[in-house]
Amino acid sequence: EAGVTQSPTHLIKTRGQQVTLRCSPISGHTSVYWYQQALGLGLQFLLWYDEGEERNRGNFPPRFSGRQFPNYSSELNVNALELEDSALYLCASSLGLYSGANVLTFGAGSRLTVL
Amino acid sequence: AQRVTQPEKLLSVFKGAPVELKCNYSYSGSPELFWYVQYSRQRLQLLLRHISRESIKGFTADLNKGETSFHLKKPFAQEEDSAMYYCALSGRLTGGGNKLTFGTGTQLKVEL
Repeated sequence: EAGVTQSPTHLIKTRGQQVTLRCSPISGHTSVYWYQQALGLGLQFLLWYDEGEERNRGNFPPRFSGRQFPNYSSELNVNALELEDSALYLCASSLGLYSGANVLTFGAGSRLTVL
Repeated sequence: AQRVTQPEKLLSVFKGAPVELKCNYSYSGSPELFWYVQYSRQRLQLLLRHISRESIKGFTADLNKGETSFHLKKPFAQEEDSAMYYCALSGRLTGGGNKLTFGTGTQLKVEL
């Protein structure tokens, strides 16, 4: 069974640009989570999607947004990139909102460097 | 609000020595606690959860509600235990579902 897959694995952008990161959950998982792992800051919760809807949002500005598609894959969009957005962006998936599940399976991440 | 605190950024021990990675939490309800581990060049993965009350790779963790702690322990450290360890708390959200909050992580380095 394929795990959580993320693309691209690495990318470099310049300040002010926009980026889209993609995530495919484990088959059967309907919840997708996005975390930012910046150096020295640990894992910061960004967004949670379940059944196509945004269920919760972390303390990030509106230029961080995303969506979940009918096949449960998800995109994370970051507009007007800033230097401090440089980080590893992790996607995780789990069984759905009403399953009571709270164990996450993580992808390998997308490493974003903003110059 | 839910919060997880891992006071040590780096813990260095010698092989064969006991290990204790500290984790304290703040949560008004009944939490579920986890330890996740990230080995070098590998994905973040679940190590153990408190409701399982099991030992994984020799590690154990006991939830102490009085001290709001969930420290990770291993009696004899092995070189392969070197990794980044994250404590996490799952709390219920209004409207259903759970939110997983992570600590800032502790880098464990086991020296020969």
